[in-house]
Amino acid sequence: AQSVSQHNHHVILSEAASLELGCNYSYGGTVNLFWYVQYPGQHLQLLLKYFSGDPLVKGIKGFEAEFIKSKFSFNLRKPSVQWSDTAEYFCAVNAQTGFQKLVFGTGTRLLVSP
Amino acid sequence: EAGVTQFPSHSVIEKGQTVTLRCDPISGHDNLYWYRRVMGKEIKFLLHFVKESKQDESGMPNNRFLAERTGGTYSTLKVQPAELEDSGVYFCASSQTGLAGGRNEQFFGPGTRLTVL
Repeated sequence: AQSVSQHNHHVILSEAASLELGCNYSYGGTVNLFWYVQYPGQHLQLLLKYFSGDPLVKGIKGFEAEFIKSKFSFNLRKPSVQWSDTAEYFCAVNAQTGFQKLVFGTGTRLLVSP
Repeated sequence: EAGVTQFPSHSVIEKGQTVTLRCDPISGHDNLYWYRRVMGKEIKFLLHFVKESKQDESGMPNNRFLAERTGGTYSTLKVQPAELEDSGVYFCASSQTGLAGGRNEQFFGPGTRLTVL
């Protein structure tokens, strides 16, 4: 069965600090990888996605993620966070064959202090 | 264009009662998904409709949960009778059908927060 691990449940950073959120997945086949974000009071929205090709993907608001196949990882990064990045971040995967359901990690709450 | 909408936003019921949650997907989206997040845990898949047909209901916890999507438009998720462990946030998502390999972006609604007392 697919599973996703996010090792950091709560992260507190000061503005301008660099961010890296870890995500590891377990699945026997080929997957698509996603990062979703939920800002306070808002819907879950897609931050970035990886299907194939260049393992370094760029998303909205200056975020990027790197797929390392050998480590089953898809870590999210941002070189300099802003107060407005305060949100909960979810890593998710789905299979490229078969059913399209997303399997999520437990989420990471990021608090950026001004 | 309107996004995915869910009703109600909050529901507080007593154990043993019935609750029906509604999801209106983005117009034209054939795929509709239900997910649930129990407090402190991951968002978990419940089921997936393609139009009015259940494509995958492997995540439905038990037969107290009944999902329908008559006519392939909006969907309802009924919990009858509700138990304490059903408390959580129920999310609906929808996506188009067009890209192969699970690549159609799922757009999420705001969720319904269900509290069972």
